[in-house]
Amino acid sequence: DSGVTQTPKHLITATGQRVTLRCSPRSGDLSVYWYQQSLDQGLQFLIHYYNGEERAKGNILERFSAQQFPDLHSELNLSSLELGDSALYFCASSVVSSLHNEQFFGPGTRLTVL
Amino acid sequence: GQQVMQIPQYQHVQEGEDFTTYCNSSTTLSNIQWYKQRPGGHPVFLIQLVKSGEVKKQKRLTFQFGEAKKNSSLHITATQTTDVGTYFCAASNDYKLSFGAGTTVTVRA
Repeated sequence: DSGVTQTPKHLITATGQRVTLRCSPRSGDLSVYWYQQSLDQGLQFLIHYYNGEERAKGNILERFSAQQFPDLHSELNLSSLELGDSALYFCASSVVSSLHNEQFFGPGTRLTVL
Repeated sequence: GQQVMQIPQYQHVQEGEDFTTYCNSSTTLSNIQWYKQRPGGHPVFLIQLVKSGEVKKQKRLTFQFGEAKKNSSLHITATQTTDVGTYFCAASNDYKLSFGAGTTVTVRA
């Protein structure tokens, strides 16, 4: 158990819908990262938040957005869902913003878009 | 952004044998991290290499950072069934980690 929690574990929805994935980092960690893992794309970095502020963006679609709240939990919002958005979404956390620190991954949310 | 290439994509190993997976970049890396993801699980941090030519060992796993800091390798000796999974290298750049495609390891008992 990494100490990072993600809800829900599984999510099945239809194309065109909007979903919210939630992540609670390890106690004391200020940085949250979101990744998308699909079979053909590997582990893709989406976005990084540090203490409520956006620090870096990867190849995140405009239909996707995220935020980190004052209590440091984070939410990833996916809208106008397409079949290709089906994937595992991981959240990770680290103590600080420096990437010289290891990241602790949550168990992931498996999103299926039908 | 920073891109790292991993080879091989798949590694089928006889139990007890050794194997190596490689991570290569066209640019100089500030550091390299290695993660392992078991089937159905999430990535778990294994190690970080920072210095040129650095070698670190964890039991049967040996991690190496190239002298030019453009490549890294993970060597596993006497492979066991517990080594099954996907091994990722990841390079950091501008507050984000770029993961390689991973080497998926299966073990024949």
